[in-house]
Amino acid sequence: EIVLTQSPATLSLSPGERATLSCRASQSVSSNLAWYQQKPGQAPRLLIYDASNRATGIPARFSGSGSGTDFTFTISSLEPEDFAVYYCHQRHNWPLTFGGGTQVEIK
Amino acid sequence: EVQLLESGGGLVQPGGSLRLSCAASGFTFSDYAMNWVRQAPGKGMEWVSHISGSGGTRYYADSVKGRVTISRDNSRNTLYLQMNSLRAEDTAMYYCDVKPGGVIVWGQGTLVTVSS
Repeated sequence: EIVLTQSPATLSLSPGERATLSCRASQSVSSNLAWYQQKPGQAPRLLIYDASNRATGIPARFSGSGSGTDFTFTISSLEPEDFAVYYCHQRHNWPLTFGGGTQVEIK
Repeated sequence: EVQLLESGGGLVQPGGSLRLSCAASGFTFSDYAMNWVRQAPGKGMEWVSHISGSGGTRYYADSVKGRVTISRDNSRNTLYLQMNSLRAEDTAMYYCDVKPGGVIVWGQGTLVTVSS
């Protein structure tokens, strides 16, 4: 099973600041990695697929990079609605696995 | 627009059964594999089961193997998850997902609560 380790667990930032999140895979997932956002009581919302492609309607302030085992997700300038939990997710190998999440909270 | 609508969740006693459904629209249903994933309260996501577009290939997480069966009715554009011998640790929001054109789409989920 591919283990996805996200860091940090919590990121405390102010609106307008840059958020940089990391996801490390225990073995290569090539570019088969997605990032999604989840707010309390809501379904997950896909932001990035195939490591670096923004999903339809996702603002340009969200970006992803990396391949193999090391991936980075960036929010260039935090908006108030961006404070949420972010997860990475691999679909390269069975079983599909998810990272433990990074909570982006208001400082 | 791709849409997935889960239903069938509810409160069930330990050892009981439920059948979840996922009604799909906005894409050619039989062309795409689908998954069930779940999220326990306050926890991260966990993949549960996978089925190919034809229904001929199925995979299960070890945590549910032998207790759940995934199936699909391509004439009704509907995905199912039959869950038996339910345990407290199966309590979660259950989502179906599909990946048409490389983009993952999840439904809004259906809540399963296993409690006496």
